[in-house]
Amino acid sequence: GQNIDQPTEMTATEGAIVQINCTYQTSGFNGLFWYQQHAGEAPTFLSYNVLDGLEEKGRFSSFLSRSKGYSYLLLKELQMKDSASYLCAPSDSNYQLIWGAGTKLIIKP
Amino acid sequence: GAVVSQHPSRVICKSGTSVKIECRSLDFQATTMFWYRQFPKKSLMLMATSNEGSKATYEQGVEKDKFLINHASLTLSTLTVTSAHPEDSSFYICSAREPGGDSDTQYFGPGTRLTVL
Repeated sequence: GQNIDQPTEMTATEGAIVQINCTYQTSGFNGLFWYQQHAGEAPTFLSYNVLDGLEEKGRFSSFLSRSKGYSYLLLKELQMKDSASYLCAPSDSNYQLIWGAGTKLIIKP
Repeated sequence: GAVVSQHPSRVICKSGTSVKIECRSLDFQATTMFWYRQFPKKSLMLMATSNEGSKATYEQGVEKDKFLINHASLTLSTLTVTSAHPEDSSFYICSAREPGGDSDTQYFGPGTRLTVL
């Protein structure tokens, strides 16, 4: 079957660094996306990894290990506006995104 | 990134009426669009994949006669919820796949919150 495993909820402090882990199992693999979703809003695209390694984009970085079925999203210099759910979504052999429930990140002052 | 609009953003209707939701890709042509629904604190659930000029592909358990999808152009897909009932109340979100490049990234519209009374 296909499944995503992420922590349900994480808490971090403003200005700090947080890493959100994701393990996945899919039928085929065509890359992995990370999306941010604020409460009551639609997801917004953050990053895409298809090769192993780290992709850095400003305060956000995403890492992928295909052999381990593992990815993480690293958020630096946390801001209060980063409080949101973060969705790890691998793309399967049909280029269909597989969605989990995401990780709710709570930022405290 | 690419921009996807969705209209209306919020709709309240009476039970038994039909509601049409539009999804537009504003700065790119999308051969494929997706329709999702999401219940509070739950994951996105794919309802159907909409390909321009052909019939939509519905996920298992989604009634195609109830959720009518039309993808008449490369920039517009519509979802019509027919004979809506209170259990259809949900957050409906469309996405459009930007073709080309290495990723075929899906960009989401802002969503439509449907409340059926």
